[in-house]
Amino acid sequence: DVKVTQSSRYLVKRTGEKVFLECVQDMDHENMFWYRQDPGLGLRLIYFSYDVKMKEKGDIPEGYSVSREKKERFSLILESASTNQTSMYLCASSRRGTAYEQYFGPGTRLTVT
Amino acid sequence: GEDVEQSLFLSVREGDSSVINCTYTDSSSTYLYWYKQEPGAGLQLLTYIFSNMDMKQDQRLTVLLNKKDKHLSLRIADTQTGDSAIYFCGEDSNSGYALNFGKGTSLLVTP
Repeated sequence: DVKVTQSSRYLVKRTGEKVFLECVQDMDHENMFWYRQDPGLGLRLIYFSYDVKMKEKGDIPEGYSVSREKKERFSLILESASTNQTSMYLCASSRRGTAYEQYFGPGTRLTVT
Repeated sequence: GEDVEQSLFLSVREGDSSVINCTYTDSSSTYLYWYKQEPGAGLQLLTYIFSNMDMKQDQRLTVLLNKKDKHLSLRIADTQTGDSAIYFCGEDSNSGYALNFGKGTSLLVTP
């Protein structure tokens, strides 16, 4: 059974803290994605990666960075968390050439106070 | 990304048909998709349609594509309470890797 796991389901951090969100997939997928989901705004792409050490900005990369040192792991980093980054963060992966079939993790609900 | 539009809410009675509509923007999209998000879970690919097709049927699901109007719809026959979820319409993005999603339609099925 294919699986995308995220390190935490719920996370509470303080403003200014550095936050790491981890995502691991066990399907040997080349592509990995980070989205944030907000009520009324749907899913918005933050960053994606199509190979190890490769990354591309999505629609809303400001305030975020990513790291992909191993094929199975894609990390989202909030260098200095702010309250407007309170959101649900979803990680996804897909095989090269089949971007439409993305497999999603369960999400991390991050609250920044 | 460009906007994929869909209505935010739909409520139907159990046993009725549900129709969720979507308007997409990129006429060069190769595929168009419907994803389903159940409460507390990530998204799951429900079905997709190749852009040169008009219709695709998969058990209780029927996808209709009108390329001229850039309109995509998902019909769920004999809707069940377990179909209550958020449904996202999606199209290929310009990156060739990611997808543009609509804001999602919350489907509520009442007994």
